[in-house]
Amino acid sequence: GAGVSQSPSNKVTEKGKDVELRCDPISGHTALYWYRQSLGQGLEFLIYFQGNSAPDKSGLPSDRFSAERTGGSVSTLTIQRTQQEDSAVYLCASSLTYSGNTIYFGEGSWLTVV
Amino acid sequence: AQSVTQPDIHITVSEGASLELRCNYSYGATPYLFWYVQSPGQGLQLLLKYFSGDTLVQGIKGFEAEFKRSQSSFNLRKPSVHWSDAAEYFCAVQGTDKLIFGTGTRLQVFP
Repeated sequence: GAGVSQSPSNKVTEKGKDVELRCDPISGHTALYWYRQSLGQGLEFLIYFQGNSAPDKSGLPSDRFSAERTGGSVSTLTIQRTQQEDSAVYLCASSLTYSGNTIYFGEGSWLTVV
Repeated sequence: AQSVTQPDIHITVSEGASLELRCNYSYGATPYLFWYVQSPGQGLQLLLKYFSGDTLVQGIKGFEAEFKRSQSSFNLRKPSVHWSDAAEYFCAVQGTDKLIFGTGTRLQVFP
């Protein structure tokens, strides 16, 4: 596609349920990034992929969070046993390679945990 | 590890006035530098970037930024602000991999 695509755009879930957020990067982009933006907060790095491997998972806030990327393309961020503090916008981005290239962002997935 | 500081949380300017948003970074070498803008309820749009070469870079919407190595700064400027420029502005730095963002500056524009 022309840009980074994320789904769902909005998700309301009950506390304790699992959620999956999907990111479809720009075609041909090998690097993929996940960020979280809580209300009124800045952008918190979660994880990035180079191809299918994740060299840096340091930003994942707890073991309830995981992410995978298959086929060097689509990535899924999974949050297990969601908590209210997980409510945020989850932003995905991609770039041609992992350094020195423009990084393009999707519109985000707005997650609300009730 | 790299880090970014945006000292101004909130700036208010009158339409037509000039604008400068400050950004300071910390990184051991010359980083890649970016400015993004986020309108309410929207994703991040790239305004401009610095990778190498000319330290004054031009971006979209009439914005420019200047990389000053001696000051570890990458300030964003616009000579005349329009009401549609009201948004949140994020400076970001990339070393060898991940992009690290500042906390953002919210710009308000009065008529």
